[in-house]
Amino acid sequence: AQSVTQLGSHVSVSEGALVLLRCNYSSSVPPYLFWYVQYPNQGLQLLLKYTTGATLVKGINGFEAEFKKSETSFHLTKPSAHMSDAAEYFCAVSSSNDYKLSFGAGTTVTVRA
Amino acid sequence: GAVVSQHPSWVICKSGTSVKIECRSLDFQATTMFWYRQFPKQSLMLMATSNEGSKATYEQGVEKDKFLINHASLTLSTLTVTSAHPEDSSFYICSARSYYHEQYFGPGTRLTVT
Repeated sequence: AQSVTQLGSHVSVSEGALVLLRCNYSSSVPPYLFWYVQYPNQGLQLLLKYTTGATLVKGINGFEAEFKKSETSFHLTKPSAHMSDAAEYFCAVSSSNDYKLSFGAGTTVTVRA
Repeated sequence: GAVVSQHPSWVICKSGTSVKIECRSLDFQATTMFWYRQFPKQSLMLMATSNEGSKATYEQGVEKDKFLINHASLTLSTLTVTSAHPEDSSFYICSARSYYHEQYFGPGTRLTVT
C-alpha cells in the first residue's frame, strides 16, 4: 500500500520568491512519484514524475523535484514564483504493480504581488 | 500531447434520476481508465479502475450498483450515477492510462443533484 503526506495545506509566497512544496511518501515497493497541478474547476496537469534513474527531475513551468529515498521525500521547488503559479498542487504515488495513484491532500499556493 | 475529454462538463439533475458521464481518450488508446471523486477543497479519491472489455474494480466503500462503470472500447469509459441523491454531488474526474503507462486526466464533470 502507498500513501502520501503533503506538509502544509496552504503556502503563500511573494512573486519572484522560492516555491517549496513538501511531500513525503510511504510505499512497500519502489515508488513512482508525481506532482500534479490543478486550476479551479479543471482536471489535473502533470508537472513532473519520477520512475527510475536520475533523482532530480525537471518538469514544466520551471518546476523540479528531487527523489530522496533515505528521507522518503519528493519535494517540489521552483526558484522564482509567478502569479500564474497560483493553484492547487497534488503529490501522488503509485507502483509498477497496478499504476493506481494515491494522492496527498493537496497544497494551495497563493502568490502575492 | 495526449488528450482526455469528459462530457458533460457540468450537469444538474433531480434527486432520483440517473446521470451518465463520458470519458474519452481522443488521440490514444487507453488500456485502463480510472474514475475519481473530488469534494470541494479536498483531494482526489479513487473510485474504480476499468479495463476495456472487463468489469470494473471498485475501491473499498464505493457502491458498485450506484456507480456503474462501462469501458466499452479502448477510447471510451462511462460512469453512470444511478438514483442520484444530493450527497452524490461532487466533481468527478477520469484519467486514462496509455500503453506507455502515462496517466492523463480529463477536465472533470461537476455533478449537482437537487
